[in-house]
Amino acid sequence: DQQVKQNSPSLSVQEGRISILNCDYTNSMFDYFLWYKKYPAEGPTFLISISSIKDKNEDGRFTVFLNKSAKHLSLHIVPSQPGDSAVYFCAASGNSGYALNFGKGTSLLVTP
Amino acid sequence: KAGVTQTPRYLIKTRGQQVTLSCSPISGHRSVSWYQQTPGQGLQFLFEYFSETQRNKGNFPGRFSGRQFSNSRSEMNVSTLELGDSALYLCASSWSNRANTGELFFGEGSRLTVL
Repeated sequence: DQQVKQNSPSLSVQEGRISILNCDYTNSMFDYFLWYKKYPAEGPTFLISISSIKDKNEDGRFTVFLNKSAKHLSLHIVPSQPGDSAVYFCAASGNSGYALNFGKGTSLLVTP
Repeated sequence: KAGVTQTPRYLIKTRGQQVTLSCSPISGHRSVSWYQQTPGQGLQFLFEYFSETQRNKGNFPGRFSGRQFSNSRSEMNVSTLELGDSALYLCASSWSNRANTGELFFGEGSRLTVL
């Protein structure tokens, strides 16, 4: 049972525009959310996170928004760059914090 | 410092065989987690070890097992391989005893193909 869902398998955006990647979750016990980026032939790398006590966290071009009532979070990349082309995974963690529940990923393509 | 090292990077096995994958965490990291990545399911948590103790296990059959050594290196084993076990197996290490700190460093993975 997929508790973290990324319903868009792929997204294509022009360079300089905003990329918005969405993620939904079903488990209300999740209290920490993370985004990871993965290039081919590499392991995922941590991008940005947000605690459930916040609704926004910003780091440079990357901003994550959390809407707890809707059990929805999104990652905004502004402006998008060709080097951002990768697979982005949304992940969530609950009380134990020992395991991350990942979505299936969204493949972002930023075109020049 | 050196990142998370996984060996072997690629391997091919046949149904019914068993396989052992190895993971060397970043020096000083005591937590090691394993994830399975498949196209259909994304990344799924297998298990996590901290100081040689398995603290959490994902929803995988008993054919999947692991262990951690005193130097924090970890191995996972899959017995009686099935075609569906073909996947990228990712190891991640952390200094923290909680995965949700974000400081989870992944290796490049071991790609297993079962024929």
